[in-house]
Amino acid sequence: GAVVSQHPSWVICKSGTSVKIECRSLDFQATTMFWYRQFPKQSLMLMATSNEGSKATYEQGVEKDKFLINHASLTLSTLTVTSAHPEDSSFYICSARDQLGGREAFFGQGTRLTVV
Amino acid sequence: AQSVAQPEDQVNVAEGNPLTVKCTYSVSGNPYLFWYVQYPNRGLQFLLKYITGDNLVKGSYGFEAEFNKSQTSFHLKKPSALVSDSALYFCAVSPASGGSYIPTFGRGTSLIVHP
Repeated sequence: GAVVSQHPSWVICKSGTSVKIECRSLDFQATTMFWYRQFPKQSLMLMATSNEGSKATYEQGVEKDKFLINHASLTLSTLTVTSAHPEDSSFYICSARDQLGGREAFFGQGTRLTVV
Repeated sequence: AQSVAQPEDQVNVAEGNPLTVKCTYSVSGNPYLFWYVQYPNRGLQFLLKYITGDNLVKGSYGFEAEFNKSQTSFHLKKPSALVSDSALYFCAVSPASGGSYIPTFGRGTSLIVHP
């Protein structure tokens, strides 16, 4: 089945530093990947849609200069949280659709980011 | 715009009893409907989907869901709950044609299965 690998699973960083999160589709090609943020006991908040070879589409209210997204290949998208602050601490999840498959999205394991 | 409502924040059920997690949706045209499960500190796992055809859809781990067009519902069901089914469940919808295929998620329902 379709597998999406997200790395790292958890990361702790100091305020002001940057953190990169990787999202890979292991057995399919994904022209589009999605990045979500999830607060405790809440639903997924779509942050941006990552398009291979072009600029990401950010949702309203999401700072594109703070959350840098790169989708350089059909199997890899990265999210970089720049100049992290404690309020950026959250659970970040990526997902991808198999461009040759159905409409369902497959999700990575998530990344727990803690900024201290 | 499409939307999903999961009216229950939490569902409690005894092990061995049937369970139902409710979902209603709103979308222009025909819907694609999905259920996902999330265990603590994990991503979402795909359970099942409705695209077209039979209204009763069977998915992973013994779960099934029934599409009801007139009630715009897609409730998740399982005949006999297991303690290991305890998790957070998300319903999602996207339009079958036109518009954005990006799914819209409900806010999630926490399922607690008691031994």
